[in-house]
Amino acid sequence: KAGVTQTPRYLIKTRGQQVTLSCSPISGHRSVSWYQQTPGQGLQFLFEYFSETQRNKGNFPGRFSGRQFSNSRSEMNVSTLELGDSALYLCASSLRGPEETQYFGPGTRLLVL
Amino acid sequence: GEDVEQSLFLSVREGDSSVINCTYTDSSSTYLYWYKQEPGAGLQLLTYIFSNMDMKQDQRLTVLLNKKDKHLSLRIADTQTGDSAIYFCAGGGADGLTFGKGTHLIIQP
Repeated sequence: KAGVTQTPRYLIKTRGQQVTLSCSPISGHRSVSWYQQTPGQGLQFLFEYFSETQRNKGNFPGRFSGRQFSNSRSEMNVSTLELGDSALYLCASSLRGPEETQYFGPGTRLLVL
Repeated sequence: GEDVEQSLFLSVREGDSSVINCTYTDSSSTYLYWYKQEPGAGLQLLTYIFSNMDMKQDQRLTVLLNKKDKHLSLRIADTQTGDSAIYFCAGGGADGLTFGKGTHLIIQP
């Protein structure tokens, strides 16, 4: 089975712009979670989607949003980018939810200038 | 919510055993996980342990869980240069995984 894939792998944006990241889960997995990894804060949970519905959300501002499509692929969007949004964004998939084993993609590294 | 603590660095000699420790606060996690991250890469699931188990062995990896002390450890036998990475322990539930800050495993020749 193919693993979790994320596109693009690298992205450079400037402050104030917006960005969309994509994640394709493992075939058959219906839950997709997103995490942000920074040197200062470590790995933090952003949100989780299942059957096109956001079920849980971490402590991030409303500039961070996401969606899930009927094929379980997910996108996350960050609007009005700030320097502090520079991070590695990781997507993880599991069969039914984050309480089960999650498998991570390679991540998208975002640099905001 | 869950709070997970790990030491930041561990240095071992090649061929020795590595023991990476983790403490957590929330007992409600059904599973506890160990992930490995190599430079520039995502997280690789190494192993996990069900919360009602004390020990799990998987080839060179041994996970020990002390529920009373809320202490989790990962032992890597015969540590090799390819084991050099950051190791994260994690627990959690429906509101996502909570990760420790990660332990940098440094292998000395």
